Amino acid sequence: EIVLTQSPATLSLSPGERATLSCRASQSVSSYLAWYQQKPGQAPRLLIYDASNRATGIPARFSGSGSGTDFTLTISSLEPEDFAVYYCQQRSNWPATFGQGTKLEIK
Amino acid sequence: EVQLVESGGGLVQPGRSLRLSCAASGFTFDDYAMHWVRQAPGKGLEWVSGISWNSGSIGYADSVKGRFTISRDNAKNSLYLQMNSLRAEDTALYYCAKAPTPQQLVLYFDYWGQGTLVTVSS
Repeated sequence: EIVLTQSPATLSLSPGERATLSCRASQSVSSYLAWYQQKPGQAPRLLIYDASNRATGIPARFSGSGSGTDFTLTISSLEPEDFAVYYCQQRSNWPATFGQGTKLEIK
Repeated sequence: EVQLVESGGGLVQPGRSLRLSCAASGFTFDDYAMHWVRQAPGKGLEWVSGISWNSGSIGYADSVKGRFTISRDNAKNSLYLQMNSLRAEDTALYYCAKAPTPQQLVLYFDYWGQGTLVTVSS
């Protein structure tokens, strides 16, 4: 199965700053990668699919890029509600797999 | 508004069985693939199983293959997960999740329920 490795494990930033989260796949997943946001006590929310497409209702400050094995989620200017755990997930090969998550915390 | 409501979780002894249900509303259920995704306490996400809109395609994670069975009843807008031979490592919050694209078994998840907790312990 494809292993997704996210970095960093924890990212400490202030509101208004730019956040860059990384996801590396153990083999190519083409562009079949999604990003999810999860807040404490809540279900995950789909942010980005197919590496760079924003899901319905997702603000434009969230953007995704990459292909093959290296992917990035960028939040251009952090809002207070953006502090959460972020997961990447691939659908290129069965089974679908998730990264271990990056916790974005307030500095 | 899309709603997914899971039920059926609880405390169960190792080796026993449990059946989870997910009631769907707010979309044309029989157009979409559906999935179960779980999250162990304090841990990350793990895809468990998925089923196509017409039950023609089904898949399982290796960790549950042969023990869990996914099914759906389109007339009742419901998704199920029959879990047999449960183990301590199956302890998790089980989410029902919807695929984003009609009539394709796409392994993305655009709507999620709030989950039902399964605890396997003696």
